[in-house]
Amino acid sequence: AQSVTQLGSHVSVSEGALVLLRCNYSSSVPPYLFWYVQYPNQGLQLLLKYTSAATLVKGINGFEAEFKKSETSFHLTKPSAHMSDAAEYFCAVNQNSGGSNYKLTFGKGTLLTVNP
Amino acid sequence: SQTIHQWPATLVQPVGSPLSLECTVEGTSNPNLYWYRQAAGRGLQLLFYSVGIGQISSEVPQNLSASRPQDRQFILSSKKLLLSDSGFYLCAWSLNGAEQYFGPGTRLTVT
Repeated sequence: AQSVTQLGSHVSVSEGALVLLRCNYSSSVPPYLFWYVQYPNQGLQLLLKYTSAATLVKGINGFEAEFKKSETSFHLTKPSAHMSDAAEYFCAVNQNSGGSNYKLTFGKGTLLTVNP
Repeated sequence: SQTIHQWPATLVQPVGSPLSLECTVEGTSNPNLYWYRQAAGRGLQLLFYSVGIGQISSEVPQNLSASRPQDRQFILSSKKLLLSDSGFYLCAWSLNGAEQYFGPGTRLTVT
């Protein structure tokens, strides 16, 4: 079974600083990996996805993530944090086992705080 | 383009009362549909998923149930709410089995 570990339940950065949110996964087959962002009292919004194409994936709002199979990692980065990036971020893995039944396994989330 | 709706947005219900939350998807056909619950500090918990009309799979034993009476409609119900049912309920859809797209959520408070 697949699992996701997000290191750090809370990350705090200064505006303009690098954002790095860590995600490690375990999967018995090549995974599909996702990052979602959730603003307070809203649903989850897809930031980016890795589906076995390019290992460096660019998403919305200037975020990107790199799939590293040897490290079983899919860390999320952004070169310069904005105040509007303050939110909770979830990493998720989907094991494509065929058929029409797919489920996502989510990490516990990382709350990003951006300080002025 | 596809749109997912959930209602109500917020709900306050007494313990022991019934529950019905509705989710509808527009702009697509035969989606996979999912219900999640997000309790404070506990991440996302998959409750139910459906790959077609009338086909419901339950992930966690509880006093909740789900139904899919139409292709793009997914309903979460309970006959008698418990305090522990409080949380943020999210509906999601998926077409190709990869990414899921989430609705705006329903905040349920059981008093």
